[in-house]
Amino acid sequence: GAVVSQHPSWVICKSGTSVKIECRSLDFQATTMFWYRQFPKQSLMLMATSNEGSKATYEQGVEKDKFLINHASLTLSTLTVTSAHPEDSSFYICSASRLVGEGELFFGEGSRLTVL
Amino acid sequence: GENVEQHPSTLSVQEGDSAVIKCTYSDSASNYFPWYKQELGKRPQLIIDIRSNVGEKKDQRIAVTLNKTAKHFSLHITETQPEDSAVYFCAASSSSASKIIFGSGTRLSIRP
Repeated sequence: GAVVSQHPSWVICKSGTSVKIECRSLDFQATTMFWYRQFPKQSLMLMATSNEGSKATYEQGVEKDKFLINHASLTLSTLTVTSAHPEDSSFYICSASRLVGEGELFFGEGSRLTVL
Repeated sequence: GENVEQHPSTLSVQEGDSAVIKCTYSDSASNYFPWYKQELGKRPQLIIDIRSNVGEKKDQRIAVTLNKTAKHFSLHITETQPEDSAVYFCAASSSSASKIIFGSGTRLSIRP
């Protein structure tokens, strides 16, 4: 199977600071990556679709100025949580697929963000 | 957009018995239905998927059925084992939507 790597796996930051999370497809090119947020014992909530070379597509209710997504290359997408607050504390997980919309999603390890 | 509902939210079965998890979807254009297993603290892993051109697919102890008319699909695990304990997510997508939407998850516990 394909490998998706996410970094960092966990991060603790102070309120008001920004945190960047990286998602890399290690052995395939991903024109599209997805960012999910997962609260404890809850489902994977799609936040946005990251498109290489163009703007991300955000789901309803997700603040695009709060969660900045950049997909600068076919193997890297980044999620920046700007001016983080305690309510942003969550598990963020990225995924990528070789076939957009119909292919198996390969997930990163996830990043647990704790905002103090 | 697509909405996927999943039931039950928790399921406890005796080891060796079968487990069934059911999902419904709203978008008739959806044509790809994967199932993911997420163990505690780990990333979700695909366990089986089905496309809209088939009604059933089986892989050893795991099977998935799809009813396109009713817009529902189910996961069946037979002869359950302790290592089957995890959270299971169904999902649905269409090539036109270019994204996969997940159900709310089912926490499956296997009693020894």
